[in-house]
Order: sequence, then C-alpha cells, then structure tokens
Amino acid sequence: ETGVTQTPRHLVMGMTNKKSLKCEQHLGHNAMYWYKQSAKKPLELMFVYSLEERVENNSVPSRFSPECPNSSHLFLHLHTLQPEDSALYLCASSQDYSRRPYNEQFFGPGTRLTVL
Amino acid sequence: KQEVTQIPAALSVPEGENLVLNCSFTDSAIYNLQWFRQDPGKGLTSLLLIQSSQREQTSGRLNASLDKSSGRSTLYIAASQPGDSATYLCAVIGGSNYKLTFGKGTLLTVNP
Repeated sequence: ETGVTQTPRHLVMGMTNKKSLKCEQHLGHNAMYWYKQSAKKPLELMFVYSLEERVENNSVPSRFSPECPNSSHLFLHLHTLQPEDSALYLCASSQDYSRRPYNEQFFGPGTRLTVL
Repeated sequence: KQEVTQIPAALSVPEGENLVLNCSFTDSAIYNLQWFRQDPGKGLTSLLLIQSSQREQTSGRLNASLDKSSGRSTLYIAASQPGDSATYLCAVIGGSNYKLTFGKGTLLTVNP
C-alpha cells in the first residue's frame, strides 16, 4: 500500500450522468495530482493541487472538474462525459510541489471509468 | 516537449531469463528518471529512482542505468520470475517542464 486510496475502484456511467472520483492520502503530503491513463497512451497529467490551490490544469476539458477541500482529499467531478473519456484515472501525492529537490509521487490504485 | 519511448512494447520470456527493458527520452536536461511497475487493475509502484547525477541504482534483482547524454535508461531484471509479470513504466522529470513524463510502458510476461 502506498498510502493513497481511491474510490470507487470501478465506475460505469452514462454520458448524461454526474459522478465523482475520490482520492485520499494518508502521508501528510501537500501536493496532489490527477492523471489519466488511456489504452495505448502514456499517463497524462490532468491537474495539480498544492496546498489546496490548483497550480496546474493541463488543458483538460471542463467536463472534468477537480476539487481539493483540504490537503488530504482530492475529488474529480465528472459530468456529460464522452465514451473516449473511458480510462484509468490515477491519483498521486507528493510532499510538496516543487522542482528541486524532486518530490517523489506516490500513486493510488486508480479508478477504472467506463462511459457508455 | 519531452517524449519518452519504451522498447519493446511487450516481452515474453521463460522463467529464469535475464532481461533488459529500454527507455529513451528526447530532452536530456532531466532532473530524475524513475521506473515504475503497474500490475493489472492496480496503480503504480515505484521501483527505482535515479537522480540526474547518478548513473545507476540497484534494488535486489533490479538494476537501472541512466545515460543522460544519450537520453537513455535501461532496466535490467536478473533471473526473472513469474511474479515479475507486469507493465513497467519509465518516467522522467525535468527538461523544459517540471512534469513527470511517462512512456507507454513495456508489458512483461514471465512464463513458468
């Protein structure tokens, strides 16, 4: 276990549904991340939060809405998704968000999302 | 823009064989390089982290090397076991951005 948990582990939703993914880290870290892993593609960074403030939005469509109410919790709110949004969504955390020294990221198990 | 390529995309070997996974990156100005393992339906587990000033790191049967100037890293797995079957991901941080840039991974199958 890495100290990062994600719920649910699997989610199937229709294009008109609204759902949320949850991530919780028990490591006392200050930075949290959302990644998307699609089939046959590398992991893509979606959002970064540092001390509950969004510091990175990697050109993600507005149908994905992140929320970080505190440094231990991160949500990804989903609405009117498309079938191509089906993927594994991974959450990660690190001690801080900085370039030097490198802050190792610890990953959760992911949520497998299927959009019908 | 940093790009990371992993070769081969898939590899199947008999148990006990030594093997090498390859990773290359386009921007050599990296801070670190990290190898991860991903099991089906699970997240990423960090295997080895190589600082930009280092040339290799070892952990048990795993040895990772880094050649910044040529933009290459290799992950050597000695005496492979069926439990080593997983997808191995290479990621770099640095270059023109601070992000962790991943390769697509190598799917390794070790047959008993």
